[in-house]
Amino acid sequence: GIQVEQSPPDLILQEGANSTLRCNFSDSVNNLQWFHQNPWGQLINLFYIPSGTKQNGRLSATTVATERYSLLYISSSQTTDSGVYFCAVERKLTGGGNKLTFGTGTQLKVEL
Amino acid sequence: NAGVTQTPKFQVLKTGQSMTLQCAQDMNHEYMSWYRQDPGMGLRLIHYSVGAGITDQGEVPNGYNVSRSTTEDFPLRLLSAAPSQTSVYFCASRRTRGGTDTQYFGPGTRLTVL
Repeated sequence: GIQVEQSPPDLILQEGANSTLRCNFSDSVNNLQWFHQNPWGQLINLFYIPSGTKQNGRLSATTVATERYSLLYISSSQTTDSGVYFCAVERKLTGGGNKLTFGTGTQLKVEL
Repeated sequence: NAGVTQTPKFQVLKTGQSMTLQCAQDMNHEYMSWYRQDPGMGLRLIHYSVGAGITDQGEVPNGYNVSRSTTEDFPLRLLSAAPSQTSVYFCASRRTRGGTDTQYFGPGTRLTVL
């Protein structure tokens, strides 16, 4: 199956710092999503980004589908950004559904 | 809208017991799915449904059953719990089976099998 690798696995930032998270995938995909899992376990969709660049406040994401990678940028980080960031790629299933394959995540901790 | 709801939040079972994890959504979403999350492994797809009356297997279906009698509900049944099924279970839904729409996740059920 498709492999999804995220880097770095762990990241500690001082509040206000910027960071870049990377997601590499091993095959062509229909779509790519970024999720944030907060310390309470809730998964929140950040971006639906099969290609190109999107921005939402202090977060932005870029996917280069032809080179099979995506980047998530966090600027001016805040303590509320702490948690695990997952990249998930999507492929169609024979049964008509779609399967999200998740990477193992980047654990981010933002400190004061 | 309540979004995607899951019950219970926590559950402890003994090996061999059966139980049903409940999932409901009030957004009239066509597509629903179940994932399990294990440490260091991200989330893996267990079963999914593209509409009422239609279900199919995902990546790790063994030991689980699902049904979809209504658009709103998608319960996950553990037939005979095993310690390997200790995990956090997430239910998710999206409006269509594969469009450009967002996938919404429930808050999760933390299951421990002794």
